[in-house]
Order: sequence, then C-alpha cells, then structure tokens
Amino acid sequence: DAGVTQSPTHLIKTRGQQVTLRCSPISGHKSVSWYQQVLGQGPQFIFQYYEKEERGRGNFPDRFSARQFPNYSSELNVNALLLGDSALYLCASSPGSGLWVNQPQHFGDGTRLSIL
Amino acid sequence: AQTVTQSQPEMSVQEAETVTLSCTYDTSENNYYLFWYKQPPSRQMILVIRQEAYKQQNATENRFSVNFQKAAKSFSLKISDSQLGDTAMYFCAFTLHFGNEKLTFGTGTRLTIIP
Repeated sequence: DAGVTQSPTHLIKTRGQQVTLRCSPISGHKSVSWYQQVLGQGPQFIFQYYEKEERGRGNFPDRFSARQFPNYSSELNVNALLLGDSALYLCASSPGSGLWVNQPQHFGDGTRLSIL
Repeated sequence: AQTVTQSQPEMSVQEAETVTLSCTYDTSENNYYLFWYKQPPSRQMILVIRQEAYKQQNATENRFSVNFQKAAKSFSLKISDSQLGDTAMYFCAFTLHFGNEKLTFGTGTRLTIIP
C-alpha cells in the first residue's frame, strides 16, 4: 500500500512569493495534519483537517492556510513568504474518527522549502 | 500548554551496545499518549514505539522499550543491541487522548551508532 505522499520534494522560492504544498494521505485515512520542521528542531504543528473541516490550528500567522478535498488530500498554502519559512514541511495522516483512535499518525517524506 | 523536553542533543554508542534516550514532558492532563519517532537522513518520520498514559506496563517493540514514569513525567527510550541502522534523529512526542491529533515534539536527540 502507498504511504503518505507529498509533492513537490523540494521547492525554491523568493521572499514575498506564494507557495502551495500537496499531500495525499494513506488510502482510508480521513485526517491530515501539517507540521513545519525548521533545521535542527522538532516539528511544529500547523493544522489538522478531518472530513474536510479544520480541527486544530497551531501558533502560525494567517499567511498559512490549508484545505482538505473530498478525496481527503490536502494543500498547505503559504503567502508572502519570509526567509524564516524555510523548513521541511511534513504531512501526516491517520484514520481519525472524532475520538482518539488506536492508530498513530503516518508521516510523508516532506517538502523541503527554501526561501531566497 | 504541553511541553516536551529532550536534554541530550547528541549521543553516540558502539554497535551492539545499549543506549537510553531521555524525555520529560509537562501536562496537567491525566489521559494522553507518548511516542518516540525516528527520523533518518531520508527525512521520513517513523514511529518507533508508543505508550498510553493509562497503562502502567511499559511498552516494548523488539529491541526498543520505554521507561514510563507518569508521576515524574518521564518517558525514556532504551535501544538494546544497537545497530548501524538505528543512526537517526529521535524525537519524543506527546498528544492528548481526545480532541485534535496535535503532536507536540521535543527538539530531538541525534543518535550515532559507531561500527
């Protein structure tokens, strides 16, 4: 079975531009979460979506937004890019059911975003 | 707010030896889950082991085991018979039992297995 897939693998942008990152969850998984991992640090939670609705949001500015589609894939958008947005962006999926389920999150390989 | 602290930025150990990675966390909640994730240079975050806070018995997965001390809010990972493939960043993570699935991660421990 295919795991969580993210695209693109690597992306280079300049300050002020906008970027869209994509994530396809494991088949059957309805919950998708996004994390930002700055070099040398642990991942920081950005968003969680379940059944196309936002379930959680981390401490990130409004420049960050996301959405989930009917097929449960998801996009993360970042506007007005800053140098500090350079990071590895990880997507994770899980079955999700409204209550905690006995299924951990599965992570993709991430998108490396570099801001020049 | 929940916090996770990993006080060992780097560790190294000889192949076949045992190593223990430390993690402490802070929460006022009683029901939660703790995890250890491994991140090799390939970048993918891989679940190593998990512990439910309501279970007193420490979790084990083959060569990996945890020492969960709920009162002390401590959650260490022991790797026995370490192998070269264990070389990676290791992250301790926390999530609440109910609600959203936000994982709170520590800053990680870079583990190097020396041949």
